[in-house]
Amino acid sequence: AIQLTQSPSSLSASVGDRVTITCRASQGISSALAWYQQKPGKAPKLLIYDASSLESGVPSRFSGSGSGTDFTLTISSLQPEDFATYYCQQFNNYPPPTFGQGTRLEIK
Amino acid sequence: EVQLLESGGGLVQPGGSLRLSCAASGFTFRSYAMSWVRQAPGKGLEWVSTISDSGISAYYADSVKGRFTISRDNSKNTLYLQVNSLRAEDTAVYYCAKGGGDTAMSVWGQGTLVTVSS
Repeated sequence: AIQLTQSPSSLSASVGDRVTITCRASQGISSALAWYQQKPGKAPKLLIYDASSLESGVPSRFSGSGSGTDFTLTISSLQPEDFATYYCQQFNNYPPPTFGQGTRLEIK
Repeated sequence: EVQLLESGGGLVQPGGSLRLSCAASGFTFRSYAMSWVRQAPGKGLEWVSTISDSGISAYYADSVKGRFTISRDNSKNTLYLQVNSLRAEDTAVYYCAKGGGDTAMSVWGQGTLVTVSS
C-alpha cells in the first residue's frame, strides 16, 4: 500500500499567517490526492481534490499543488476558523486508499 | 442539500456484531460509490471499505476483511456495514462518505460511535 507522510505533524501559527503543509507519497500517485479539514468532534470536510481543485464552497485562501510524490496544501492568510487537523489522502493506487497521519494546526 | 446520516453504533462486547446504516439524501445515491472510514479515539482516519455504485464490487481494508460486510440498497438510498467478530481495536467513530475508490470523498456523515468493551 502507498504510504503518505505529512509534515509537520503539528504547527503553531497566528491569524493572518501563510501556512504550508506537505504530503509525500511513497510512490507516484499522479494527481490523485485530496485534502480534508477536521475540527474536533466533527466529520472531515473535503477541501481540495485532484491535488489542486478547490471543492465548491471552500474559501479561496486554500490551495493545493503538486503531482507525482510531493504535494502541498497552502492557506494564504489564516483565519480563526482554520485551526483544525488536516489530512491528505491518495486514491490513485486503490484499494486501499490511504490517509496521511494528519497535521494539527494550532493557534500560536 | 446533500446529507448522510449514520446510525446503529453502540456498546458491544468483544466478539459481538452490529449493523451500521447510512441514510443518504440530496443526491442520486445509485450513481456513486460509497465508503466507510473510521477514526479510533485520538487517532487518524482509516479507510474501512468501499462499494461500487451498483453494489457489485466491494473492497475492504485488510484489518476488517472477513469480518465486515458492506452493502447498499439503492431503492432505499441507504448504505450498510455489517460488523462481526468485533475486537477492542475496532472501537472508533465510523463515518460514511460519498465517493471513495478512485475519487475523493466529497461528503461525510456525522459519524456513529462503536465501542467494543466487556
